[in-house]
Amino acid sequence: QVQLQESGPGLVKPSETLSLTCTVSGGAIRSYYWSWIRQAPGKGLEWIGYFHFSGNTNYNPSLKSRVTISVDTSKKQLSLNLTSVTTADTAVYFCARSPGSNDEGVDVWGQGATVTVSS
Amino acid sequence: SYELTQPPSVSVSPGQTARITCSGDALPNQYAYWYQQKTGQAPVRVIYRDIKRPSDIPERFSGSSSGTTVTLTITGVLAEDEADYYCQSADSSGAWVFGGGTKLTVL
Repeated sequence: QVQLQESGPGLVKPSETLSLTCTVSGGAIRSYYWSWIRQAPGKGLEWIGYFHFSGNTNYNPSLKSRVTISVDTSKKQLSLNLTSVTTADTAVYFCARSPGSNDEGVDVWGQGATVTVSS
Repeated sequence: SYELTQPPSVSVSPGQTARITCSGDALPNQYAYWYQQKTGQAPVRVIYRDIKRPSDIPERFSGSSSGTTVTLTITGVLAEDEADYYCQSADSSGAWVFGGGTKLTVL
């Protein structure tokens, strides 16, 4: 059974870069869309972006200038880089898997990683 | 930017039927998905492609679509169904969007 595990610093300073990794275990990596989704405290879900090996990568327009999502197949890891963070980027960050047709939604979620932006 | 609109809250008594709506202009052309999120947990997909239910989701969960509105229906609500529910879809560019979420309270 596939599992996703997010990891990375829990505290990031304003103006710095937030970097998270999601390790995929128990399943393939190439056949799927891989996404990052976040949830600010007490708020709803916000899609950050997705990556697919076909080259179909898409980012939330409101974050596009600051976001990079990539996948390392050898390590079976998904990465998120978010530059120039502010306190508004404080959130739980989820990595997520969607079947390769990208029309089935998210079928597997990570447990989430809490990131606080503070000096 | 494209938006999906959900009611902030819905309340029902145990055994009743809960209906949660999600409205968006692109829904006639894009599939919708529904997720259940309990406090402190990751979301769980309960409906995909508007009406399909994953095999591990109870039959009391169902989805429907009509024009620019999709609806999640929970028939015979149980106390354990109390959670936040989010719809999700995409715009014409493929960018995903989530609705604001609906808090389901079981009285």
